Amino acid sequence: QVQLLESGPGLVKPSQTLSLTCTVSGGSISSGGYYWTWIRQLPGKGLEWIGNIYYSGSTYYNPSLKSRVTISVDTSKNQFSLKLSSVTAADTAVYYCARGGTTVTYFDYWGQGTLVTVSS
Amino acid sequence: ETVLTQSPATLSMSPGERATLSCRASQSVRSYLAWYQQKPGQAPRLLIYDASNRATGIPARFSGSGSGTDFTLTISSLEPEDFAVYYCQERSNWPLYTFGQGTKLEIK
Repeated sequence: QVQLLESGPGLVKPSQTLSLTCTVSGGSISSGGYYWTWIRQLPGKGLEWIGNIYYSGSTYYNPSLKSRVTISVDTSKNQFSLKLSSVTAADTAVYYCARGGTTVTYFDYWGQGTLVTVSS
Repeated sequence: ETVLTQSPATLSMSPGERATLSCRASQSVRSYLAWYQQKPGQAPRLLIYDASNRATGIPARFSGSGSGTDFTLTISSLEPEDFAVYYCQERSNWPLYTFGQGTKLEIK
């Protein structure tokens, strides 16, 4: 059973960089076949795809966030990470990591989510 | 970019009733549509993929149908644990993923 767990600061100051890590257990990121994904949910709102990374390091970002997003992978630790720069209060959200597939179009495993609040 | 529109925004029903939720795409997504259930404080859970396939462990009372631009999630007989928010999701314009705005299924 694949499990994903987000970690990182729950409070970030405006204009700073939000940094989160997702640790994967029960499966290897390096095995291929999957896109490792970040998704967020603004308070009381729907879901927004942020971006994906493949184990090789290939990345794909939502155009609306692309200028501020970096997703990276550390296969030795079976982790992938999100950095979102120049944050504002509008970036306050629950951030989820999830597993997508290269041959499928959905997300089958999700982390529990972590709330990140942007406030001074 | 494909826009997914879910209706109704809120659906008030009683246990034992049949629920029908709709998701309409602004352009064809073929059969590449998924449905998720989200309960308060929890992550979304995959229910249906490729429009009509139940994910592992999902009860048979959940079914999906449709193709192209019009999709339906049906819950044949509502159980108390089914009251939640439901989202549809597509990836027709790789690598972009989009979600609908959600339908809240509440107890009448």
